Amino acid sequence: QQQVKQSPQSLIVQKGGISIINCAYENTAFDYFPWYQQFPGKGPALLIAIRPDVSEKKEGRFTISFNKSAKQFSLHIMDSQPGDSATYFCAATDGTSGSRLTFGEGTQLTVNP
Amino acid sequence: GAVVSQHPSWVICKSGTSVKIECRSLDFQATTMFWYRQFPKQSLMLMATSNEGSKATYEQGVEKDKFLINHASLTLSTLTVTSAHPEDSSFYICSAAPGRNTGELFFGEGSRLTVL
Repeated sequence: QQQVKQSPQSLIVQKGGISIINCAYENTAFDYFPWYQQFPGKGPALLIAIRPDVSEKKEGRFTISFNKSAKQFSLHIMDSQPGDSATYFCAATDGTSGSRLTFGEGTQLTVNP
Repeated sequence: GAVVSQHPSWVICKSGTSVKIECRSLDFQATTMFWYRQFPKQSLMLMATSNEGSKATYEQGVEKDKFLINHASLTLSTLTVTSAHPEDSSFYICSAAPGRNTGELFFGEGSRLTVL
């Protein structure tokens, strides 16, 4: 029940295209859903996050879509750039776990020039 | 975002020696810090939760005597890999939460440990 399932495992997109990464969860107590971006040899960096009281959150080229009834959320990267090439992790936590995150398996995104 | 500093960024040691990795929250106080281990092309694996002033809580399967965690202040947690062996070679990442139960978590840059 603590799992977060992420897909696809890898994704190749052309420059200017839209990258879409999906995550699904089971634990209905989860109330915070962040996305992290990780470059090789670096720690993850918080990219954008959403709480279940809204269905969408947009920050620049990055948008989270959240479907509470389906227990799914996704990251959309508009106008994808080669510099966006990285591994992306979705995660989830609930308010009682002290920010302990459950991570998805990760998606390796490659944006071709 | 908040800044978490991790040191060293990489370390090479001989088998049998101990290595200490530091994790500092630079611009906020962190009651809770987390230590992760990450293998190539895999997700982050939570090793332990470090709480200031109390003993760390280890995840199942993580040897507490092998991976010593000390959270001596609200801005510093350390992970010591004792009697390191080649199988301990990995990427270790710490993270810190600026607020209790907010979900927000900021990560250090990671420490690459290579045990010869």
